Amino acid sequence: EAGVAQSPRYKIIEKRQSVAFWCNPISGHATLYWYQQILGQGPKLLIQFQNNGVVDDSQLPKDRFSAERLKGVDSTLKIQPAKLEDSAVYLCASSHYRGRSAYNEQFFGPGTRLTVL
Amino acid sequence: GIQVEQSPPDLILQEGANSTLRCNFSDSVNNLQWFHQNPWGQLINLFYIPSGTKQNGRLSATTVATERYSLLYISSSQTTDSGVYFCAVGGKTSGSRLTFGEGTQLTVNP
Repeated sequence: EAGVAQSPRYKIIEKRQSVAFWCNPISGHATLYWYQQILGQGPKLLIQFQNNGVVDDSQLPKDRFSAERLKGVDSTLKIQPAKLEDSAVYLCASSHYRGRSAYNEQFFGPGTRLTVL
Repeated sequence: GIQVEQSPPDLILQEGANSTLRCNFSDSVNNLQWFHQNPWGQLINLFYIPSGTKQNGRLSATTVATERYSLLYISSSQTTDSGVYFCAVGGKTSGSRLTFGEGTQLTVNP
């Protein structure tokens, strides 16, 4: 079974530029997550999709971050304009959905390492 | 939201030694996962263990949900075990969101 795919693996941009990251979840996984991991910390959830609908975006900085999952499969996360503090690894994860309190083990992709100069 | 604390923050071992990593959490959970983040940044699933005990080779984990902690045991450590170990929990009132601890940085020396 193929894992979660992400691209690009690395990206370097200047502040105020825009950037986009792509994620393809494990086949059949209805739930997709984007996490931000700042160096030295654990990942933090940015947004969660159930099929193509947003379930939780409470920690997404909506003035500059946006995400979509148009057909309930692939997803794109965009930052516009980028700030220095956005330098981090952006991780995509996916899981089955068997209900709010059921077994929902998450599997992570390799991440995209973003450096904002 | 739910709080997750991991200890110790850093651990240095000689190859062949055993170790125990701890994860404390502040509320009831319906999801608890242990991950190993390798030097390339990939999060590797070790255990899905909201309660009970599981073993996989040299690794085992125990979660005592009523006392709000989980333990990860590594026996006969190898240099390839080096990296950061994360505990992540999903609170019963927070849907599927995982809240991660700050991790334990493990270094195994030859």
